[in-house]
Amino acid sequence: GESVGLHLPTLSVQEGDNSIINCAYSNSASDYFIWYKQESGKGPQFIIDIRSNMDKRQGQRVTVLLNKTVKHLSLQIAATQPGDSAVYFCAEDFMDSSYKLIFGSGTRLLVRP
Amino acid sequence: GAGVSQSPRYKVAKRGQDVALRCDPISGHVSLFWYQQALGQGPEFLTYFQNEAQLDKSGLPSDRFFAERPEGSVSTLKIQRTQQEDSAVYLCASSFPGQGAYNEQFFGPGTRLTVL
Repeated sequence: GESVGLHLPTLSVQEGDNSIINCAYSNSASDYFIWYKQESGKGPQFIIDIRSNMDKRQGQRVTVLLNKTVKHLSLQIAATQPGDSAVYFCAEDFMDSSYKLIFGSGTRLLVRP
Repeated sequence: GAGVSQSPRYKVAKRGQDVALRCDPISGHVSLFWYQQALGQGPEFLTYFQNEAQLDKSGLPSDRFFAERPEGSVSTLKIQRTQQEDSAVYLCASSFPGQGAYNEQFFGPGTRLTVL
């Protein structure tokens, strides 16, 4: 399939280590912030979301942190596995009339065996 | 169950040709979205349908782009007189809106359009 992240910033981590992927957003009015994972040749896949009135949310091996003061979002992946290799996008859901997502520029995660 | 499907997966068009891209959303999903993803970038919103009604088409880049969803299920994105800058992956997503919660958008695999 086609490559998604040819010109994206890349984070390279050793298998088993923790990964932290960061994202800056611009719209203070966003109601939800979402992380998506995109593997080559596939569409984005939902990972986890967080509502704007929260600062932390945990899932299975993933944690999302939201800092509204500096408009910063991060995704932490514990015990990174080879299957985690992909491009990760943060997105904002404006919850306006269309519920459209506004995506950030993405980060490629490479997991070294 | 079946996810969002898109066809064709790959399309090569000569500049000036018209193309039609199809999206089959998850059955029962009311909302349908089209996004355009240029190489190395995040998806960008094109248009949104709620059932058969196109409620937001603010992201369509020009009047050469047209989308429809006549029966509230399958949707078609049509691009007339394709230009090289139209080359991208076109993603379709669907969701079932709830009340007050984030409505997860489920994405299809995309159609990669290459305009020569």
